[in-house]
Amino acid sequence: DSGVTQTPKHLITATGQRVTLRCSPRSGDLSVYWYQQSLDQGLQFLIQYYNGEERAKGNILERFSAQQFPDLHSELNLSSLELGDSALYFCASSRLLGGSPGELFFGEGSRLTVL
Amino acid sequence: GDSVTQMEGPVTLSEEAFLTINCTYTATGYPSLFWYVQYPGEGLQLLLKATKADDKGSNKGFEATYRKETTSFHLEKGSVQVSDSAVYFCALSVAGGTSYGKLTFGQGTILTVHP
Repeated sequence: DSGVTQTPKHLITATGQRVTLRCSPRSGDLSVYWYQQSLDQGLQFLIQYYNGEERAKGNILERFSAQQFPDLHSELNLSSLELGDSALYFCASSRLLGGSPGELFFGEGSRLTVL
Repeated sequence: GDSVTQMEGPVTLSEEAFLTINCTYTATGYPSLFWYVQYPGEGLQLLLKATKADDKGSNKGFEATYRKETTSFHLEKGSVQVSDSAVYFCALSVAGGTSYGKLTFGQGTILTVHP
């Protein structure tokens, strides 16, 4: 158990819909990262938050947005869903912002299926 | 930009065989290097890491040496077990700048070990 909790574990929805994925980081971790894992793209970094502020952005679509709340949990919002958005979405957390790179702790992921 | 290239899989071995999974990287800064493992139905977990040139990371019988001259971080294990069947990801993280500790992953290598 990594200590990172993601909900829901599985989600099936239709094209054009909007979903919210939730992540609770490990106790004490201030950095939260979101990754998308798909068969054709592999593991792609989406976005990072540190203590409530956006710190780094990767290959995140404009239809997607995220935020980190004062209690440090994070939510990833996916809207106007397309078939190609079907993937496994991972949240990871770490104590550090940067400097000495450390270990990221991953949740078990939220599997999104868009029909 | 930063990138990681892993040998293509899948890799299928018999129990007690020797394992090598090749990994090379390109980085704009001075990266730390990681191997993560993903067991079926689980999130990623850190297997080993090395933070400077010539460092050897090791864990659970797996080893990898940070080779700056060849920009490589190949994963090896002398005798694999059925329980090692998983997906293995090579990754890097560059300290400082705007990367803020995020990991850049290779495409992953599926390892299947038969009894």
